[in-house]
Amino acid sequence: DIQMTQSPASLSASVGETVTITCRASENIYSYLAWYQQKQGKSPQLLVYNAKTLAEGVPSRFSGSGSGTQFSLKINSLQPEDFGSYYCQHHYGTPPTFGGGTKLEIK
Amino acid sequence: DVQLVESGGGLVQPGGSRKLSCAASGFTFSSFGMHWVRQAPEKGLEWVAYISSGSSTIYYADTVKGRFTISRDNPKNTLFLQMTSLRSEDTAMYYCARGTAGTYFDYWGQGTTLTVSS
Repeated sequence: DIQMTQSPASLSASVGETVTITCRASENIYSYLAWYQQKQGKSPQLLVYNAKTLAEGVPSRFSGSGSGTQFSLKINSLQPEDFGSYYCQHHYGTPPTFGGGTKLEIK
Repeated sequence: DVQLVESGGGLVQPGGSRKLSCAASGFTFSSFGMHWVRQAPEKGLEWVAYISSGSSTIYYADTVKGRFTISRDNPKNTLFLQMTSLRSEDTAMYYCARGTAGTYFDYWGQGTTLTVSS
């Protein structure tokens, strides 16, 4: 199975800052990478798929990049509603696997 | 609006069985593959199982293969997960999620909690 490694595991930032979360795949997954946001006590929500395509309704301050084995999710000008956990997931076949998550907290 | 509503969770003894359901609405259920994804308490996400739109293709995670069975009833817009030989490590929030052509999940339910404990 393809292993997904996210970093950092946790991140503290202030409203208005720009943050970047990275995700590494154990083998080439081309651009088959998705990102999800999960707020405390809620279900995950799709943010990005195919590495850089924003899901419907996702604000443009979110952006995804990367290909092959190295990917990143960038959030410009953090808003209060952006705090929570973020997960990457490869969608290069089965089984789809997730990264361990990044918890983004308010500084 | 797309809605996925899970039910059937609860407290089960080790070795026991449970059947989860997911009621879908707001889209043509019979046209989409569906997944179950779980999340152990304070842990990350783990994909569990997939069923294609017409039930012809089914996949399981190695951790549940032989113990869990995914199925669907398209006329009733409902997805199921039959779980047997339950273990403490199966304790988790179970989400149903709509599949896409690319094996990512564009809509998720609110989840149902399964606790396996004596």
